[in-house]
Amino acid sequence: GENVEQHPSTLSVQEGDSAVIKCTYSDSASNYFPWYKQELGKRPQLIIDIRSNVGEKKDQRIAVTLNKTAKHFSLHITETQPEDSAVYFCAANKNNDMRFGAGTRLTVKP
Amino acid sequence: KAGVTQTPRYLIKTRGQQVTLSCSPISGHRSVSWYQQTPGQGLQFLFEYFSETQRNKGNFPGRFSGRQFSNSRSEMNVSTLELGDSALYLCASSLSPSIYEQYFGPGTRLTVT
Repeated sequence: GENVEQHPSTLSVQEGDSAVIKCTYSDSASNYFPWYKQELGKRPQLIIDIRSNVGEKKDQRIAVTLNKTAKHFSLHITETQPEDSAVYFCAANKNNDMRFGAGTRLTVKP
Repeated sequence: KAGVTQTPRYLIKTRGQQVTLSCSPISGHRSVSWYQQTPGQGLQFLFEYFSETQRNKGNFPGRFSGRQFSNSRSEMNVSTLELGDSALYLCASSLSPSIYEQYFGPGTRLTVT
């Protein structure tokens, strides 16, 4: 089955800096890669996603890149703010069978 | 549009008992997936339902089962509860299996004592 690895497990940055989280997946048939943000005590929220026919997608301060050949994808957050502090999960989806990475706890220091 | 709802929000059960959790998807969404979230194992896929049929299944024992009704509402059942089943159980809905954006409910916090 699909195996998703996510790094780093924790990430601390200064407000205004950029943050990058990386994920790799094992099943080349996976074709949809979402990123979720989960604040403490809340449900995971979909923040951005990318499909396998696209290499990059951007939404304001958030961008995701996908390298299908290498089977890895990354989340980039620019100009980080304290409210970006949360746990971020990547996932790989094949036919709506979605497997998650272990999560990255991002802390943005004011 | 109302979001995904789950009931109950909190549950305390004893080892050996069984439990049923309920999930109502976003109106118009027909696919429902279930996940188990624990601090040690993260978010783990349980199963996915569409048109009252289980389409995908994760690596959980047969004590974990589910079903989906004709109105797309879904239930999951855990029989013979173990201490290790204590977790947050999340469901997520999407329009269909080919439209992948999944939206999560608030979860049911299950504690097994």
